Amino acid sequence: GAVVSQHPSRVICKSGTSVKIECRSLDFQATTMFWYRQFPKQSLMLMATSNEGSKATYEQGVEKDKFLINHASLTLSTLTVTSAHPEDSSFYICSVGIAGASTDTQYFGPGTRLTVL
Amino acid sequence: SQKIEQNSEALNIQEGKTATLTCNYTNYSPAYLQWYRQDPGRGPVFLLLIRENEKEKRKERLKVTFDTTLKQSLFHITASQPADSATYLCALDLGTGKLIFGQGTTLQVKP
Repeated sequence: GAVVSQHPSRVICKSGTSVKIECRSLDFQATTMFWYRQFPKQSLMLMATSNEGSKATYEQGVEKDKFLINHASLTLSTLTVTSAHPEDSSFYICSVGIAGASTDTQYFGPGTRLTVL
Repeated sequence: SQKIEQNSEALNIQEGKTATLTCNYTNYSPAYLQWYRQDPGRGPVFLLLIRENEKEKRKERLKVTFDTTLKQSLFHITASQPADSATYLCALDLGTGKLIFGQGTTLQVKP
């Protein structure tokens, strides 16, 4: 498997500010990472696929100008929530996909709890 | 429309019993189905994967079945323990590298 870390684990910010969340693959070089958002009692919703060295691929309904993703290296992807609003308060989780013999398994970070006041 | 559904109600069982969780889906043709465990405030942890041509998969006290005709997967934990208490997520793997998650079922095992 892969060990994935996220920083920070919790962040509280004021409305209108930007917040950056880091996702690191500690023991695996990841060309692809995924960013999810999870609201209380709800499913993980895929926001975007982060590709090293190229632009991220966003899911339908996710504003790419609001959720900026940068996959600068094989071990680091960042998600920046720009001009955050209270409705952006959520649990943000990244994952690393590892290709198996026939399918990919994802290894998840511990998540970042964002609260926008 | 495409849906993936897990029983949203919490499942409460006594220690030592077998827990059975259900995952149903419609209008998907997954190549694989995966099960994850999620503890409160934590990211999901991979448990098991089953392919569309496999009927059953086992790992220690865990067993997963996959019925592509019924479009259903069942996840069993035998000899359940309080430490098994968590939310269990099923995820459809469409073979594209992306996963589509159900909303999860919370299991509470009482001593």
